Amino acid sequence: EAGVAQSPRYKIIEKRQSVAFWCNPISGHATLYWYQQILGQGPKLLIQFQNNGVVDDSQLPKDRFSAERLKGVDSTLKIQPAKLEDSAVYLCASSYNEGLHYGYTFGSGTRLTVV
Amino acid sequence: AQSVTQLDSHVSVSEGTPVLLRCNYSSSYSPSLFWYVQHPNKGLQLLLKYTSAATLVKGINGFEAEFKKSETSFHLTKPSAHMSDAAEYFCVVSDRLKAAGNKLTFGGGTRVLVKP
Repeated sequence: EAGVAQSPRYKIIEKRQSVAFWCNPISGHATLYWYQQILGQGPKLLIQFQNNGVVDDSQLPKDRFSAERLKGVDSTLKIQPAKLEDSAVYLCASSYNEGLHYGYTFGSGTRLTVV
Repeated sequence: AQSVTQLDSHVSVSEGTPVLLRCNYSSSYSPSLFWYVQHPNKGLQLLLKYTSAATLVKGINGFEAEFKKSETSFHLTKPSAHMSDAAEYFCVVSDRLKAAGNKLTFGGGTRVLVKP
């Protein structure tokens, strides 16, 4: 079974630039999550999708971050404009709709450096 | 609301000696609890999970954890550390409530150093 695919693996941008990350979840997983992991901290949930609808985006900085999952499969997370404090690893995860933690799988992440 | 506190940011052990990583949680509902490991530049790997069955949970690579509701703790242990156990470990909680949508709340992490 293929895992959660994320791209790019690494990205370096200057502050005030824009950046986008892509995630393709495991086939059949209805739920998709984006987490932000700042160096030295645990991952923090940014947004959760159920199919193509948003379940929880309470910790997403909506003035600069946006995410979409138009067809209920893959997803993109965008930052515009980026700030220095956005430097982090952005993790995508997916799970089956039913059952707690059933099939919950993380991707390898995208490491963003803002200079 | 749910939260996790990992009581040690760094733990240093000698190879072959026991490892103890401490975790306390707060949850409004009956929680599910997890331990994840993250090796340098690698993805998160699930070590073990507690979901209301046996309170002593066995995981991969010889790790186990005990759920103690009265102490709101879920400490991770291993009888004998191996060099390959050097990594960052995260204690994670999730409220077992459908509306919570399997949201995971991570602790701050414990970095384990294993000395030869």
